Amino acid sequence: DIQMTQSPSTLSASVGDRVTITCRASQSISTWLAWYQQKPGRPPKLLIYKASSLQSGVPSRFSGSGSGTEFTLTISSLQPDDFATYYCQQYSSYTFGQGTKLEIK
Amino acid sequence: EVQLVASGGGLVQPGGSLRLSCAGSGFTFSSYWMHWVRQAPGKGLVWVSRINSDGDSATYADSVKGRFTFSRDNAQNTLYLQMNSLRAEDTAVYYCAREGVFAIDYWGQGTLVTVSS
Repeated sequence: DIQMTQSPSTLSASVGDRVTITCRASQSISTWLAWYQQKPGRPPKLLIYKASSLQSGVPSRFSGSGSGTEFTLTISSLQPDDFATYYCQQYSSYTFGQGTKLEIK
Repeated sequence: EVQLVASGGGLVQPGGSLRLSCAGSGFTFSSYWMHWVRQAPGKGLVWVSRINSDGDSATYADSVKGRFTFSRDNAQNTLYLQMNSLRAEDTAVYYCAREGVFAIDYWGQGTLVTVSS
């Protein structure tokens, strides 16, 4: 099975900061990777698909990059609504990363 | 508007069974592969199972293989997850979700399953 490892597990940042979350796959998954945002008590929301494509309606401050085994999610300028938990998911056997909780510093 | 409404969760004893349902609307239900994903309290997302659009092929996480069965009724726009031999570690919110072109693009609100004596 393909394992997905996210880092960091927790990230403290301030409004306006640029932040990057990394996701590593245990073997190559080409660009079959998605990123989700989840807030407490809510289902996840799709942000990025196919590693770098922005889902309709998602603000352009979110971007994704990478291929093969290393991927990043970048938020260019944090907004108050962005403090949440973020997950990557590989689309070969559907494994999720363990999540990155983005907290207010 | 795409809607997925899961139901059927509740409290069940270890070793017991439960059947979850998920009603879809606002899209051509029979055209989409569908998933179940679960989340234990305070923990991360864990993929459980996926079914193809026709309902004749399902795959499962190793942790539920042989105990859970994913099926669908395209005439009723409904998914089912039959869960047998339930364990404490199956306690979670269970989300049904739609697979779009390249990723899971819509999620239901989830239904809580608690396995406890």
